Order: sequence, then C-alpha cells, then structure tokens
Amino acid sequence: AQTVTQSQPEMSVQEAETVTLSCTYDTSESDYYLFWYKQPPSRQMILVIRQEAYKQQNATENRFSVNFQKAAKSFSLKISDSQLGDAAMYFCAYRSIRGAQKLVFGQGTRLTINP
Amino acid sequence: KAGVTQTPRYLIKTRGQQVTLSCSPISGHRSVSWYQQTPGQGLQFLFEYFSETQRNKGNFPGRFSGRQFSNSRSEMNVSTLELGDSALYLCASSLGSADTQYFGPGTRLTVL
Repeated sequence: AQTVTQSQPEMSVQEAETVTLSCTYDTSESDYYLFWYKQPPSRQMILVIRQEAYKQQNATENRFSVNFQKAAKSFSLKISDSQLGDAAMYFCAYRSIRGAQKLVFGQGTRLTINP
Repeated sequence: KAGVTQTPRYLIKTRGQQVTLSCSPISGHRSVSWYQQTPGQGLQFLFEYFSETQRNKGNFPGRFSGRQFSNSRSEMNVSTLELGDSALYLCASSLGSADTQYFGPGTRLTVL
C-alpha cells in the first residue's frame, strides 16, 4: 500500500519570503500522480498543483512550484513571495494511475504567514 | 461553473441514529469520491462512484454506504452512528476516473 509522509507538522514564514514544504511517499508503482492541496480555515480543499510521475519537468503554478525527485520519492512544494492568504493546512497526496480515484494523503503541514 | 456542493453543512446526531449526506458534483463530472477527515486519522478515502457504480471502497465498516444517481449526484449513509464517526466528510468530483478531483466544502457531522 502507498503511504505519504509530511514530516513538518508546522511551518512559518515571513510575508514575501519563500518557504518549502516537504513530502515523501512510498510506492512500488512507476506511474502515478502527486498533488498538493491547501485547506484554509474554511475547510474547503483547494488544488494547488499536480504532477504526473512520467513527466520529468517540475510543475509550476504561478508562485507555487514543486521539486519532484522520483528516485528519492520526494515531492516538495515551494511557495514564493508568500502572502497572508497562503496561510492554511497543506496536504500532499498520491494517486495511482490505475483504477479508481483514491487519494492517499499525508498528515498535513500547517503554514503560518507572519506579517 | 458552480463548484461541488454538499448538504447539509453541519449536522448533529446522537449515537445509534443514521445519517445521509448529499453531494452534487460539478456539472459534467461523473466521478464522485468521499473522504472522512478526523484529527486523529487524518484524511481517509471512503469510496468512489462512477456512472452509478461503486469502483473502489476504503477500509471502513459496512455501516458506511453510498450511492450515485443518474445525474451523478451522490449520497453517503452512515447507520448506527458511533461517537467516532464525528468528522468532516468531504466529497470530491472529477470528470472521469483519471482526472483531478475538486472538493466540496464538506459536511461537519457531530455525534453526541
């Protein structure tokens, strides 16, 4: 079974600075998807970024980018120019490329933005 | 397009009762998945429905069940509620089984 580990329960960063959230995963599959979701205090899960394992190029979405290291099974999220609205719980998630929709989530990292 | 909607947003029940939660996916989305979020266990997959068929089920007891209607709307039912069923229940929809899931705002269930 696949597992996802986020080793940083909490992180904080100064507004306008850059922060990196860590995620590692374990799988025996060669093709899969990885995601970062954000859950603000409203509790609505919002997709931040998606990475296909077969793509070597790291995904980027505006101020959000990932560092995908397939051999190391590492998938970190970098947030540049942090804004107060970025404060939230961030979840890393894995999904197999085969079969049904089932996201396996990490435990989450609570990100605080200091003004 | 309207996002995923879930009703009700908040629910309080007592032990032994049953509850039904509803999820309306984004228009055109045919896959609906359900997740349970608790402080202790985190986010756990309950089940997925695609074209009215359950495609996958997580490791939950048979008290948890669901269904999907022809318009892709989905319901999940929990019978004989236990205190441990108190959680945020999240619904997510996607175009198909290979596509990205988009989440609704969740239903907060409290069991007393």
